[in-house]
Amino acid sequence: AQTVTQSQPEMSVQEAETVTLSCTYDTSESDYYLFWYKQPPSRQMILVIRQEAYKQQNATENRFSVNFQKAAKSFSLKISDSQLGDAAMYFCAYLVTGANSKLTFGKGITLSVRP
Amino acid sequence: DTAVSQTPKYLVTQMGNDKSIKCEQNLGHDTMYWYKQDSKKFLKIMFSYNNKELIINETVPNRFSPKSPDKAHLNLHINSLELGDSAVYFCASSQRLAANEQFFGPGTRLTVL
Repeated sequence: AQTVTQSQPEMSVQEAETVTLSCTYDTSESDYYLFWYKQPPSRQMILVIRQEAYKQQNATENRFSVNFQKAAKSFSLKISDSQLGDAAMYFCAYLVTGANSKLTFGKGITLSVRP
Repeated sequence: DTAVSQTPKYLVTQMGNDKSIKCEQNLGHDTMYWYKQDSKKFLKIMFSYNNKELIINETVPNRFSPKSPDKAHLNLHINSLELGDSAVYFCASSQRLAANEQFFGPGTRLTVL
């Protein structure tokens, strides 16, 4: 079974600084996708960034980038120039496509941003 | 236009009651899902449907019965509600079964008293 581990329950960052959120996963599949979702207090699930496992290049979306280490099964999220609006819960998630396609989530991390 | 909508957004009810949560997507997607987020914020798949056909039933109690009248709708009916059913329920959809992106609804917060 696939598992996703986010070992840090909480992190804090100063506004305008950089923060890295950690995620590891376990799978025997070779083709899969990894995601970071943001859940603000409004509880809406917002897709932050997606990484295809077959791509070696790390995904980036503006201030958000990932460090994808396939051999180590590690998928961390870096947020640069942190903003107050980045404060939220962040979930790492794994998806293997196919007949039983489903998202498997980590437990999430609460990120606070200090002004 | 809301891509994936859920009604109601909040639901407060007594133990033992039966309730339904509705989900609709206007994206033309084939596949829809129900996820449960518990009090510790842990998100877990409950069901998935593809073209109205049940694909995943993740060991959910029989009191939970999803129904897909057409591929744009996936409703969740819960019988004999228990305190432990209190959670946020998210509906999601994807273009097809093997798609690599799922679009989430706003969630329904269910509180069982």
